Amino acid sequence: AQSVAQPEDQVNVAEGNPLTVKCTYSVSGNPYLFWYVQYPNRGLQFLLKYITGDNLVKGSYGFEAEFNKSQTSFHLKKPSALVSDSALYFCAVRDRTGANNLFFGTGTRLTVIP
Amino acid sequence: DAGITQSPRHKVTETGTPVTLRCHQTENHRYMYWYRQDPGHGLRLIHYSYGVKDTDKGEVSDGYSVSRSKTEDFLLTLESATSSQTSVYFCAISESIGSTYNSPLHFGNGTRLTVT
Repeated sequence: AQSVAQPEDQVNVAEGNPLTVKCTYSVSGNPYLFWYVQYPNRGLQFLLKYITGDNLVKGSYGFEAEFNKSQTSFHLKKPSALVSDSALYFCAVRDRTGANNLFFGTGTRLTVIP
Repeated sequence: DAGITQSPRHKVTETGTPVTLRCHQTENHRYMYWYRQDPGHGLRLIHYSYGVKDTDKGEVSDGYSVSRSKTEDFLLTLESATSSQTSVYFCAISESIGSTYNSPLHFGNGTRLTVT
């Protein structure tokens, strides 16, 4: 069965500091991995995805994520946090067997402190 | 937001009443989804559609039905609402899944449903 774990409900970081939002996954075979961001009273917005190839994936708004197969992780990172990055972040996984579902983690609330 | 409109945005209803939520897209995407978002659960798939009149169940489909009579519209119906269905409901679309399943989903802004 597919699953995603986001071990931290809340992450606080000072503006200008690097940020990391953690995600680990469980799936049969090779995964498709996604990060989404949600601002208040809005739907989720796609940030980036890992399909194959380079383990470091770059996405929108300066975010990147590193796929680590041995650790089954896909952590979201940004070198320098902005106050406007404060939001709810979701990691999601889909396997390659033909299943149509995208499984989401429970979300991590990122707060960037000015 | 990728041409997705959900209506209504907010609804309060009583236990036992039927409720229909509507998702309308202007992108002509083939795939449409209904998710619910609850604290501590993230997003969970209720039903999805892979074409007109073609739908299938997700992981939390009990108590819900869907219909898709046109490419642009996907309706979610709660036949008899219960308090456990109080949630925020999101519609999503994707252009294609094909053989690689790597298309991201694009989400509407959600419907907040309260069942009293």
